[in-house]
Amino acid sequence: EDQVTQSPEALRLQEGESSSLNCSYTVSGLRGLFWYRQDPGKGPEFLFTLYSAGEEKEKERLKATLTKKESFLHITAPKPEDSATYLCAVIPNYGGATNKLIFGTGTLLAVQP
Amino acid sequence: KAGVTQTPRYLIKTRGQQVTLSCSPISGHRSVSWYQQTPGQGLQFLFEYFSETQRNKGNFPGRFSGRQFSNSRSEMNVSTLELGDSALYLCASSLGHGMEKLFFGSGTQLSVL
Repeated sequence: EDQVTQSPEALRLQEGESSSLNCSYTVSGLRGLFWYRQDPGKGPEFLFTLYSAGEEKEKERLKATLTKKESFLHITAPKPEDSATYLCAVIPNYGGATNKLIFGTGTLLAVQP
Repeated sequence: KAGVTQTPRYLIKTRGQQVTLSCSPISGHRSVSWYQQTPGQGLQFLFEYFSETQRNKGNFPGRFSGRQFSNSRSEMNVSTLELGDSALYLCASSLGHGMEKLFFGSGTQLSVL
């Protein structure tokens, strides 16, 4: 069964304290892996798409990497405004075009000033 | 450019009733997906539509149904509501169908009493 597991469930950092969030996946062929950010009371907001092992993408203080079994979201020198729930999702190789995502349950990040 | 609009924002219903939720995608987007978000299960895929056709359906009972209109607007319906249907229902739109970046609305918070 296709599955996405995120760890830790919650993470508290001091402003400027870098860390990484983990997303491990078990799928029958990976078509793509997505990272989203969700703020309270809002829908998820797209951050990155990764397609193949070894791929990396960066945006401001965030960097996403992908291996054959997991993805990491590295947060460098975080600020309080980075506080949010970070969601990882995959599209397995269903054999047809789809936007159907399998989500992990997320990591709740709190960055204290 | 307006984002994805979901109405109503909040809804309270009683067991056995039915409910219809509405989603207006970003102008020009032809694909709409629906997800259910609960604290325990996270985001779970309900169904996706492209050009008025249902392309994929998640593992939800037949009480959950949806449709898409010619202007790409979408509705989902839940009949014979159960307490366990209480959740945040999120709609997402994208330009096309297949490995697309999804743009989410803020959701409809449904409470079943």
